[in-house]
Amino acid sequence: AQSVTQLDSHVSVSEGTPVLLRCNYSSSYSPSLFWYVQHPNKGLQLLLKYTSAATLVKGINGFEAEFKKSETSFHLTKPSAHMSDAAEYFCVVSGTGTALIFGKGTTLSVSS
Amino acid sequence: GAGVSQTPSNKVTEKGKYVELRCDPISGHTALYWYRQSLGQGPEFLIYFQGTGAADDSGLPNDRFFAVRPEGSVSTLKIQRTERGDSAVYLCASSQRAGSSYNEQFFGPGTRLTVL
Repeated sequence: AQSVTQLDSHVSVSEGTPVLLRCNYSSSYSPSLFWYVQHPNKGLQLLLKYTSAATLVKGINGFEAEFKKSETSFHLTKPSAHMSDAAEYFCVVSGTGTALIFGKGTTLSVSS
Repeated sequence: GAGVSQTPSNKVTEKGKYVELRCDPISGHTALYWYRQSLGQGPEFLIYFQGTGAADDSGLPNDRFFAVRPEGSVSTLKIQRTERGDSAVYLCASSQRAGSSYNEQFFGPGTRLTVL
C-alpha cells in the first residue's frame, strides 16, 4: 500500500531564506507524487508533480522537488521564501489506483 | 474555464438530520472524487466515480454516507442521520481520466459541514 510521511508538521522561515519541506513515501510500485498547497479558505492547488520523467521537477511560484528513489523521498524546496508562501503544504502519492493519498500536511510560516 | 464548484460553501445542521452536498466538476472530466478533510488533517478519500458509476467507494466510513452521479457530471454526497463526528470540510475533485499513472486532480473549494 502507498503512504506518505511529512516529517515536519510546522516549518518557520524568514522572508528571503530557503524553504525545505520534507516528505518520504512508501509504494510497492513506481509512484506518481505531487505537492499541493492550501491557502486559508481556498481550494487545494497543485504545485508540481512527478510522473517518472525527470527526477527534478519544477513547479509554480519557484518551487521544485527532487524524486530520490534510493531515499524514498520527495522533498519540496524553494530558494527564497515570500510572505505569500505561507500556507499548508501536502505531499501526495498516487499509484495505479484512483485515490490520492495525502500526508498530514506541513504548515509553512514566513516572517518578515 | 470554470473550475470545480461546490455548493453550499457552508452547511450547519443538527445531529440526526440529513444533508446533501453538491459538486459540479470541470466540463469534460469523466472522473470525480470526494474527499473529507478533518481539522488539522490531510484530505481522506471517500469515493470515486468514473462516469455514472461508483468505481471505488472503499473510503466511505459507513452506510450513512452515499453518493450519486446520475448523468456522469454533477455529483451529490448524501449523509443520513448526521453525527457531530461528520463535521469536516468535504472536498470534490475531478480529472480527465483515472486508472493511469498520471492522475492530476483539480479540487473545488469545499463544503464546510458543521453538525451541532
